[in-house]
Amino acid sequence: KQEVTQIPAALSVPEGENLVLNCSFTDSAIYNLQWFRQDPGKGLTSLLLIQSSQREQTSGRLNASLDKSSGRSTLYIAASQPGDSATYLCAVRNNYGQNFVFGPGTRLSVLP
Amino acid sequence: NAGVTQTPKFQVLKTGQSMTLQCAQDMNHNSMYWYRQDPGMGLRLIYYSASEGTTDKGEVPNGYNVSRLNKREFSLRLESAAPSQTSVYFCASSVTGLVVYEQYFGPGTRLTVT
Repeated sequence: KQEVTQIPAALSVPEGENLVLNCSFTDSAIYNLQWFRQDPGKGLTSLLLIQSSQREQTSGRLNASLDKSSGRSTLYIAASQPGDSATYLCAVRNNYGQNFVFGPGTRLSVLP
Repeated sequence: NAGVTQTPKFQVLKTGQSMTLQCAQDMNHNSMYWYRQDPGMGLRLIYYSASEGTTDKGEVPNGYNVSRLNKREFSLRLESAAPSQTSVYFCASSVTGLVVYEQYFGPGTRLTVT
């Protein structure tokens, strides 16, 4: 059964810092991996989607990498801003079945 | 283009009452999903529908039923609500086929069962 973990559970950084969020999964037979952002009391907003054949995806200040063989993905945020404060979740879809399996999230606070 | 919409936004039920959560998407996606989000448990899949006319159980289907009314709409029904069903419910949709594209989520329904 696929399990997804995210470390750290919470992170607090001063504005302007570059930071890395980690996502690990136990079964490397994944179809794709998606990173989301969730603001308090809101739904999930898609940030980046990486197909299993890709190594990384970039959008603005965000860069996500994928290493299937080691079961890891990282989300790199450059020059963090207070507006980046949110919970970041990763989700993987296996090659088998329709399920997306979510990690528990990393709660990020960027301090002005 | 509204994306994924959900109604209601908030609901309080008494134990044993029934209700239906509504979800609609206007992106012409073939697949739709219902999740619940609980503190410390993350998001868990309740049911999904790969295409109009098909539904399948996810990780936590007990106590729920679903209907894929047409390509746009996917509803979740609680027949006899229990306090353990207090949660935030999210609907999502995506295109799936030869390639699986990203999921888009609705704003959620916050349900309290007393």
